[in-house]
Amino acid sequence: VMTQSPLSLAVTPGEPASISCRSSQSLLNHDGYNYVDWYLQKPGKSPQLLIYLGYNRISGVPDRFRGSGSGTDFTLDISKVEAEDVGVYYCMQSLQIPLTFGGGTKVEIK
Amino acid sequence: QVRLVQSGAEVRRPGASVTVSCTPSGYPFNDYNIHWVRRAPGQGLTWVGWVNSKTGATNYAKAFQGRVTITRDTSVSTAFMQLRSLRSDDTAVYYCARRYSGWPFYFDFWGQGTLVTVSS
Repeated sequence: VMTQSPLSLAVTPGEPASISCRSSQSLLNHDGYNYVDWYLQKPGKSPQLLIYLGYNRISGVPDRFRGSGSGTDFTLDISKVEAEDVGVYYCMQSLQIPLTFGGGTKVEIK
Repeated sequence: QVRLVQSGAEVRRPGASVTVSCTPSGYPFNDYNIHWVRRAPGQGLTWVGWVNSKTGATNYAKAFQGRVTITRDTSVSTAFMQLRSLRSDDTAVYYCARRYSGWPFYFDFWGQGTLVTVSS
């Protein structure tokens, strides 16, 4: 089970934001990687990948997005939120089937 | 460029079945597996299942086992998701997404989504 917090977040542009994701079991594999990905679903759009294997930004994702954590506790930090960052953020464990998502964190702009 | 194109919106009665297709382009079909994820109104993302594009092997989430079948047709490079015995709570947008068959793997491209509405 993947548990995200908070459920929602209202952020002033330029301010930081942080989303937590906790797994009921360790996502640290024997290969040394944490199998957690982060996705953003913008309003009316399909989800898009931000971060894979805990901290790797996919090509094209701004460096204001940073994934961290290990084992069961993970965090997605946005250093300076921009208007285009609004949407619902999901963590997902990719260590084993069935793949499971966190419940989502809705980020809005104040 | 990589695209995953899904079939259009569907409306079904409770108890009926629906099949949604997903046609990728821009890459070798067998190199990426196809997963299905849904988002019901007011809910988060839920993984439904996946098909190995090369072998046709499948795996499904427990919540859908017995009601869902995911297949692929390599001759037309298309994946299909059939959901049976539909209920009102199956109303959702269904997405297909590709996941590399090697490593590292993640959902890097998604279809545009298919709205399935179950209503009497």
